[in-house]
Amino acid sequence: DTGVSQNPRHKITKRGQNVTFRCDPISEHNRLYWYRQTLGQGPEFLTYFQNEAQLEKSRLLSDRFSAERPKGSFSTLEIQRTEQGDSAMYLCASSLGPLAGASNEQFFGPGTRLTVL
Amino acid sequence: DQQVKQNSPSLSVQEGRISILNCDYTNSMFDYFLWYKKYPAEGPTFLISISSIKDKNEDGRFTVFLNKSAKHLSLHIVPSQPGDSAVYFCAAITFGNEKLTFGTGTRLTIIP
Repeated sequence: DTGVSQNPRHKITKRGQNVTFRCDPISEHNRLYWYRQTLGQGPEFLTYFQNEAQLEKSRLLSDRFSAERPKGSFSTLEIQRTEQGDSAMYLCASSLGPLAGASNEQFFGPGTRLTVL
Repeated sequence: DQQVKQNSPSLSVQEGRISILNCDYTNSMFDYFLWYKKYPAEGPTFLISISSIKDKNEDGRFTVFLNKSAKHLSLHIVPSQPGDSAVYFCAAITFGNEKLTFGTGTRLTIIP
């Protein structure tokens, strides 16, 4: 296990379709995060899991977005009825412990680039 | 409301010289700050961090300075190398909160 992996790397879909992304964190990491990054912006927090529990959700995560982390391992992010404004890079990250600690850095995956036509 | 700001979208520095990247924040509740580096087609990579109880943290060629009264931090890279060319994000967090707030990034180009 060399790092956080995300699939697919690219997704092109038509407006109104549903899409699902997968994130596989580093195996011993109990914390998993989803971020969204649009052009010219930094990553924006979407949601966070500690093991299988979803502990925080951003206001950015509308009702069309749902994230799961069954069994506290991989996670999926689903977007229903996609809109053009959903076009972005979706980043997943994982960490071993709380972020505000010298040894608990957050490792990011390469992201899934979503384009909604 | 941009709580973490990086006002320079880009910076060019000659190889071997010092690169200084700046970041300002507005939320006084932030007490831990991080810098990430991002290459194209990759996720951000953690570089260095600093707690609000310190004003300086050093790791090899990278030093982060924190001025709490000015709500300002900076990342110094010396000497700059071509491999340092990337987008740099500063981020902040409140202890006990797992939500990282990122700035908009600065694209650093090192000129050989």
